[in-house]
Amino acid sequence: KNQVEQSPQSLIILEGKNCTLQCNYTVSPFSNLRWYKQDTGRGPVSLTIMTFSENTKSNGRYTATLDADTKQSSLHITASQLSDSASYICVVSGVSGTYKYIFGTGTRLKVLA
Amino acid sequence: GAGVSQSPSNKVTEKGKDVELRCDPISGHTALYWYRQSLGQGLEFLIYFQGNSAPDKSGLPSDRFSAERTGGSVSTLTIQRTQQEDSAVYLCASGGGNYNEQFFGPGTRLTVL
Repeated sequence: KNQVEQSPQSLIILEGKNCTLQCNYTVSPFSNLRWYKQDTGRGPVSLTIMTFSENTKSNGRYTATLDADTKQSSLHITASQLSDSASYICVVSGVSGTYKYIFGTGTRLKVLA
Repeated sequence: GAGVSQSPSNKVTEKGKDVELRCDPISGHTALYWYRQSLGQGLEFLIYFQGNSAPDKSGLPSDRFSAERTGGSVSTLTIQRTQQEDSAVYLCASGGGNYNEQFFGPGTRLTVL
């Protein structure tokens, strides 16, 4: 069964600290993996998109890594800010060009001052 | 604005009533998706429109759910005879460009009393 699992479910860190969120997937075949940020009451916003041939992609203070062999991805947030408080969702796409995506349940991050 | 818009932002209805949720996609996007997000769950695929092709309705949970997309633009998701388990956030996304990237609207929070 195609699944995307994220950990931890929730995380609390102090402002300025770094953190890493994990995503494991069993989707096969694999086309691409996306990380989204979802603020409370908003729709998800794309942070990074990686194909199977990419193993790292950065977007400002966000850096995503991908290991297609172990089917694992991580999202690293550097020097966290209060505005980073949100849910982070890992999404995996199967066959290239497919419109069907498998969504993880997300990691809820809270950054405290 | 150039983003995806949805209306209403919140809808409270009584069990058994019908509701209509609207999505205005980004102009020029040919793909349009509806998802349901329940508390603590990953996004659940409902329906997919692509251009003039027949929509993929495989994610609709029951025949009480239907959607249409008029003129390849605005879409309406209709839920008939609402049940309490229909309470969720309904998200619309339109797609285009590389990797068929999805751009999400802010969602409609539906509460069925």
